[in-house]
Amino acid sequence: GAVVSQHPSWVICKSGTSVKIECRSLDFQATTMFWYRQFPKQSLMLMATSNEGSKATYEQGVEKDKFLINHASLTLSTLTVTSAHPEDSSFYICSARDVRLLPFFGQGTRLTVV
Amino acid sequence: GIQVEQSPPDLILQEGANSTLRCNFSDSVNNLQWFHQNPWGQLINLFYIPSGTKQNGRLSATTVATERYSLLYISSSQTTDSGVYFCACQPLGGAGSYQLTFGKGTKLSVIP
Repeated sequence: GAVVSQHPSWVICKSGTSVKIECRSLDFQATTMFWYRQFPKQSLMLMATSNEGSKATYEQGVEKDKFLINHASLTLSTLTVTSAHPEDSSFYICSARDVRLLPFFGQGTRLTVV
Repeated sequence: GIQVEQSPPDLILQEGANSTLRCNFSDSVNNLQWFHQNPWGQLINLFYIPSGTKQNGRLSATTVATERYSLLYISSSQTTDSGVYFCACQPLGGAGSYQLTFGKGTKLSVIP
């Protein structure tokens, strides 16, 4: 099946710094990728839909200036958490949609802001 | 948007027992998937099953689209089955129709 690689798997950063998370579709092209956030013991909540070559569509309540999404190519989308604070600590997961419109998920990134 | 409800929220099983997890959804779906999230957070797709029945080893799933529910069966459970099982739905048509909406999951603990 299709493979989606997410990097890094975990990151610890200081409050006020920015962190970039990469999501790559390794063996297929993905015109659309999705970014989810998961708090401990909770479900996955969609943050934004990332479309190649255009601006991301953010879900209600997600700050677009804080969570910058760039989908510069058909195989790469990045999520940058800017000026991170402890409340941004969470598990972030991306998914990419293949030609059959099936979503495949990355391994997730555990972000801890100290 | 579509509502996805899973039950039970928690389930404890003795190794070797069978279980049934349920997913109810509020609207017609284009896609329904069952996932297992392992302790490291990785989501593993178990079934793509917008309708009908599928089986894969000890796991099987049935979706009755007309009645808007899906069931995941786990037989002869093993400790490695422990984790959180999510049902996720992609609504049929309309805005955001390619987005998956996740239920809150069922946390399964299989004890030896």
